[in-house]
Amino acid sequence: DAGVTQSPTHLIKTRGQQVTLRCSPKSGHDTVSWYQQALGQGPQFIFQYYEEEERQRGNFPDRFSGHQFPNYSSELNVNALLLGDSALYLCASSLPGLAGYNEQFFGPGTRLTVL
Amino acid sequence: AQTVTQSQPEMSVQEAETVTLSCTYDTSESNYYLFWYKQPPSRQMILVIRQEAYKQQNATENRFSVNFQKAAKSFSLKISDSQLGDTAMYFCAFPRGGSQGNLIFGKGTKLSVKP
Repeated sequence: DAGVTQSPTHLIKTRGQQVTLRCSPKSGHDTVSWYQQALGQGPQFIFQYYEEEERQRGNFPDRFSGHQFPNYSSELNVNALLLGDSALYLCASSLPGLAGYNEQFFGPGTRLTVL
Repeated sequence: AQTVTQSQPEMSVQEAETVTLSCTYDTSESNYYLFWYKQPPSRQMILVIRQEAYKQQNATENRFSVNFQKAAKSFSLKISDSQLGDTAMYFCAFPRGGSQGNLIFGKGTKLSVKP
């Protein structure tokens, strides 16, 4: 059973460019969350997708957008890259659940460097 | 505002000894979950242990246990019989507003287990 996978592993871009990161959730999971982890910091929530809709959003500008496909995989897009966007981007998947809490499973992350 | 504070940026412990990592948090929720995540140098974040706030009994998972003090909003992680493989960043986290997936993380504690 494959866990959460992310691609690419590493990415180098220049300021002003656009980037797309991809995530495939763990088998059976239909909810995908994205986090940004700056160096030496804890992850910060960007947004969450469920049933192809953005369900929750953290405190990130509109330059950050996403998409979820019918097979539950997801993309994170960042436009007009800034130096401060350099970080590890983590994807996590889970079951939605109606009560209680379902564990989030994290992918290995994509390391984005903006020059 | 909901916050998580980890006051120990780095800790080290000798193999086979016991170490305790501290975490305090602030929330107005009455029922919530608390988590400790481990992020080894390979980057993949994994759940170590979780505690449900309405349960008075402290959670235990093999060598890992927590000391949950709800009134003090304290949630420390104890690692017994430390092993070299425990070397990692450890993050304390809880869901914002009790909702699914939107985790608030502390800044982390870097734990080094020395032979």
